[in-house]
Amino acid sequence: DIQMTQSPSSLSASVGDRVTITCQASQDISFGLNWYQQKAPKAPKLLIYNASDLESGVPSRFSGSGSGTHFTFTISSLQPEDIATYYCQQYHNLPPITFGQGTRLEIK
Amino acid sequence: QLQLQESGPGLVKPSETLSLTCTVSGGSISSSNYYWGWIRQPPGKGLEWIGSIYYSGSTYYNPSLKSRVTLSVDTSKNQFSLKLTSVTAADTAVYYCARLGFTVTYLDSWGQGTLVTVSS
Repeated sequence: DIQMTQSPSSLSASVGDRVTITCQASQDISFGLNWYQQKAPKAPKLLIYNASDLESGVPSRFSGSGSGTHFTFTISSLQPEDIATYYCQQYHNLPPITFGQGTRLEIK
Repeated sequence: QLQLQESGPGLVKPSETLSLTCTVSGGSISSSNYYWGWIRQPPGKGLEWIGSIYYSGSTYYNPSLKSRVTLSVDTSKNQFSLKLTSVTAADTAVYYCARLGFTVTYLDSWGQGTLVTVSS
């Protein structure tokens, strides 16, 4: 199975900050990576697919980049409503679909 | 607007079978563009994909659960279902159903989730 390692596991940032989360795959997954936002106690919400494509209706302050084994998720200017846990998910080599362990984002 | 809704018992005894159904509304489960799947999340932990099914009945499962999982689909009712056998406390989780893209395997629509507790 492909293992996805997210970092950091938690982070605290101020409103307006640029926030970056990374996801490392245990083997090459090309562009096969998605990013989700989960606000407790709700279901996850798709933000980015195919490593860098923005899901319809998602604010443009969210972006993704990367390929191969190293991926980055960025919030360009953190807003209070962005408090959530963020997950990466790979789909290059199935089954199984695998998720990163999550990054909990808090506001300072 | 597509909606998914999980239903089933919230409490299951150890060694018994967990059964959940996902009802899809606002769209057809028979679309050729999507798979349908189950994901679970133990309290306070991360997400685990359980398995996915196509409207034709084609399935693929998480190898870690494959021996205990069966997915099925009922296109006449626009529903798909999960059965997980021989449950233990480790299977206690919020169970989500979701729609998965066919070409790009993203999960773009989710149910609200249902908590299933395994306890005697």
